[in-house]
Amino acid sequence: QSVLTQPPSASGTPGQRVTISCSGSSSNIGTNTINWYQQLPGTAPKLLIYSNNQRPSGVPDRFSGSKSGTSASLAISGLQSEDEADYYCATWDDTQFGGGTKLTVL
Amino acid sequence: EVQLLESGGGYVQPGGSLRLSCAASGFTFSSYAMSWVRQAPGKGLEWVSAISDSGGGTYYADSVKGRFTISRDNSKNTLFLQMNSLRAEDTAVYYCARRSQYSSTWYTDYWGQGTLVTVSS
Repeated sequence: QSVLTQPPSASGTPGQRVTISCSGSSSNIGTNTINWYQQLPGTAPKLLIYSNNQRPSGVPDRFSGSKSGTSASLAISGLQSEDEADYYCATWDDTQFGGGTKLTVL
Repeated sequence: EVQLLESGGGYVQPGGSLRLSCAASGFTFSSYAMSWVRQAPGKGLEWVSAISDSGGGTYYADSVKGRFTISRDNSKNTLFLQMNSLRAEDTAVYYCARRSQYSSTWYTDYWGQGTLVTVSS
């Protein structure tokens, strides 16, 4: 059972903006930063966002992260077919992961 | 180019042992903390263990504490995970990963391709 709660699934059509939520508590998200990872089918996870809203070089600016209180969100604008993947939030220096959200591009 | 190549996975009976290795290249291995993260079949990510850049600090998830040991050989750019008293619930793909720090927080910036460990009788 993950301490961070994510919706099991999300979907959108190409070009649309979608958001994935990550809900926690004052003892995790409330006092720590959030990182986001993308896992394409059959591959290893990839860093997408670190420290709530920092984007590593090479990650398109279509991806953005935010945090407020005990919740965080990953937003993907201009949705593309290649964005179809599992997305994970993590906190406490990546010792706690959310259960993951499977994003489907319709 | 950063590369992390895991090896040592395989099939083992409950109660058995395995030692995973991760060969690192493309960066100064001794300057980075490292970790192991696993993923059971069809499930999400679970942090297993982490080690400081020098090896002086080691950290474990409660689920593996006392059974798994993380270590590193900075002279050989290699990370290890010794897994003892294996259980069926340890069955997973094990990823070797590099940790980086931003301000006072950590994140995982590179991941290996993973090695599958199957614990079954």
